[in-house]
Amino acid sequence: QVQLQQWGAGLLKPSETLSLTCAVYGGSFSGYYWSWIRQPPGKGLEWIGEINHSGSTNYNPSLKSRVTISLDTSRNQFSLKFTSVTAADTAVYYCARRPGAARQWYFDYWGQGTLVTVSS
Amino acid sequence: ETVMTQSPATLSVSPGERATLSCRASQSISSNLAWYQQKPGQAPRLLIYGASTRATGIPARFSGSGSGTEFTLTISSLQSEDFAVYYCQQYNNWSRTFGQGTKVEIK
Repeated sequence: QVQLQQWGAGLLKPSETLSLTCAVYGGSFSGYYWSWIRQPPGKGLEWIGEINHSGSTNYNPSLKSRVTISLDTSRNQFSLKFTSVTAADTAVYYCARRPGAARQWYFDYWGQGTLVTVSS
Repeated sequence: ETVMTQSPATLSVSPGERATLSCRASQSISSNLAWYQQKPGQAPRLLIYGASTRATGIPARFSGSGSGTEFTLTISSLQSEDFAVYYCQQYNNWSRTFGQGTKVEIK
């Protein structure tokens, strides 16, 4: 059974860098893309970006300038860094898996979510 | 960017009744649509992909239909555990956008 477990700092000040990590248990790390998705309180979902086991990345164009996704294949982990945060970046951040096949860009396993609050 | 519009925002249904949720895309997305269920404090759960294929372990009372710009999620007989928020997501292009959700509540 695939499980994604995530962690990271939950309270940031404006202009700081958000940093989250997601560990993958119980399944193959290769053959999939590993994504970050966020959900502001009471609102809908926004895809942030993804990485595959080879380190190939894709980012949401609206967030690309502030986002870096990286991976540690030896630990089956991937990470999100999001620079220069503001209150608008307050959200629950999820890690998720999507199939690696072409045009299969839906998310079949999700982490538990991390609430990140940006406040001075 | 493809905008996904879900309706209604809230659906009040009695247990055992049928629920029909709609999702409209601002441009054609073929059958590249997924549905998710989200309960309070939990991550979304994949229900349907390819507009009509149930994900692993999803009960048969959940069904999806549609193609192009109009899609429907039907829950044939609502169980207590089905009261939640449902999101559609298009994956026809890189932006892979989500709808704003339909909350299914107990009538």
